[in-house]
Amino acid sequence: QVQLVESGGDVVQPGGSLRLSCTASGFTFHKYAMHWVRQAPGKGLEWVAFIRYDSSNKYYADSVKGRFTISRDNFKTTLFLQMSNMRVEDTAVYYCVTGMTTVTTLDYWGQGTLVTVSS
Amino acid sequence: DVVMTQSPLSLPVTLGQPASISCRSSQSLVYSDGNTYLNWFQLRPGHSPRRLIYKVSNRDSGVPDRFSGSGSGSDFTLKISRVEAEDVGVYYCMQGTHWPPLTFGQGTRLEIK
Repeated sequence: QVQLVESGGDVVQPGGSLRLSCTASGFTFHKYAMHWVRQAPGKGLEWVAFIRYDSSNKYYADSVKGRFTISRDNFKTTLFLQMSNMRVEDTAVYYCVTGMTTVTTLDYWGQGTLVTVSS
Repeated sequence: DVVMTQSPLSLPVTLGQPASISCRSSQSLVYSDGNTYLNWFQLRPGHSPRRLIYKVSNRDSGVPDRFSGSGSGSDFTLKISRVEAEDVGVYYCMQGTHWPPLTFGQGTRLEIK
């Protein structure tokens, strides 16, 4: 069965950096697009970033553009989110999500990893 | 960006009774390929988010048949025919037609009366 396990969440100061990882198993990782979606405390879901199966296309939410970078290692079946110049408003649970049925149908979700930006 | 508006935002329901959540988009979600990329998700405490419905009305594997999705254009509905205790949580609609960005509704919190 599809498994997505996020890691790397931590407490970081404003202006700091952090890298999230998502290890995938149970499906052919290199064939499918992937996304990051986040949920701030007490708030709704917010799409963060997308990467095509072959890394040829990447898209970002305006709120993170220029600060976050999505990438993947198809050999290690791992998705990454490099976050820099972080802000208090980046505090959230970050989910790794597949785009399998179509690239935008957000089929399977990980359990999430908590990122806290605070001084 | 496409704005997704859900109503109600809070939905108290008696066990065994039906429930309905509305989702409206600021523009039609019909894509040039003829598909409508409107999905529904469930977030329950202690669980990962789960997709329930994709492309308006296609129920995911393992989702109870008391859940159904309908609608067209810019007006969509998620219905639960008979609410059970395990349905407590927050429900989100999301559009994947006009992107980036993918956009979600505000969420509807379903609780048992």
